[in-house]
Amino acid sequence: DIQLTQSPSSMSASLGDRVSLTCQSSQGIGNYLSWYQHKPGKPPKPMIYYATNLADGVPSRFSGSRSGSDYSLTISSLESEDTAIYYCLQYDEYPWTFGGGTKLELK
Amino acid sequence: QVQLKESGPGLVQPSQTLSLTCTVSGLSLTSNSVSWIRQPPGKGLEWMGVIWSNGGTDYNSAIKSRLSISRDTSKSQVFLKMNSLQTEDTAMYFCARKGNTPFDYWGQGVMVTVSS
Repeated sequence: DIQLTQSPSSMSASLGDRVSLTCQSSQGIGNYLSWYQHKPGKPPKPMIYYATNLADGVPSRFSGSRSGSDYSLTISSLESEDTAIYYCLQYDEYPWTFGGGTKLELK
Repeated sequence: QVQLKESGPGLVQPSQTLSLTCTVSGLSLTSNSVSWIRQPPGKGLEWMGVIWSNGGTDYNSAIKSRLSISRDTSKSQVFLKMNSLQTEDTAMYFCARKGNTPFDYWGQGVMVTVSS
């Protein structure tokens, strides 16, 4: 199975900060990577698909990028509503696998 | 609008079979694919399997021997059956539709506890 390693596992940042979360794949998955935002008591929300495409309704402060087997989710200016756990998912090969998540909190 | 809703028993005894239903609205199962995903308490997400718009299925190999996903298109329902349940199967179970992203619309989830 393809392993996705997310870093850091948790982090805190201040309002207005630029924040980058990373997801590293154990093997090539092309651009078949998506990001999800998960808040307590709610289902995960899609944020990015195909590595760099913004999902419907997602604010433009979110962006996705890829460098080789490293994928990043960047928030250009952190807002309070962005606190959540973020998961990456690869859907290039079965079984589709999630990373372990990054918990993002406000400092 | 697209909606998905999971239903099923909140408590299942060890070694028994779990049966869950995902009822969808605002979409047709003959042109949409639906996955099941679960999350044990305090842990991450696990993709379990998918039923494609053509009725074909793919499963996570880790649980494939215990899992079956099927559907009734006339009732707009997708079913999950998993046998030989153990305490490790205690989790929130979600169904989700495949759109541009693998999972663009999700149900609210149903909590399943495996306990005697």
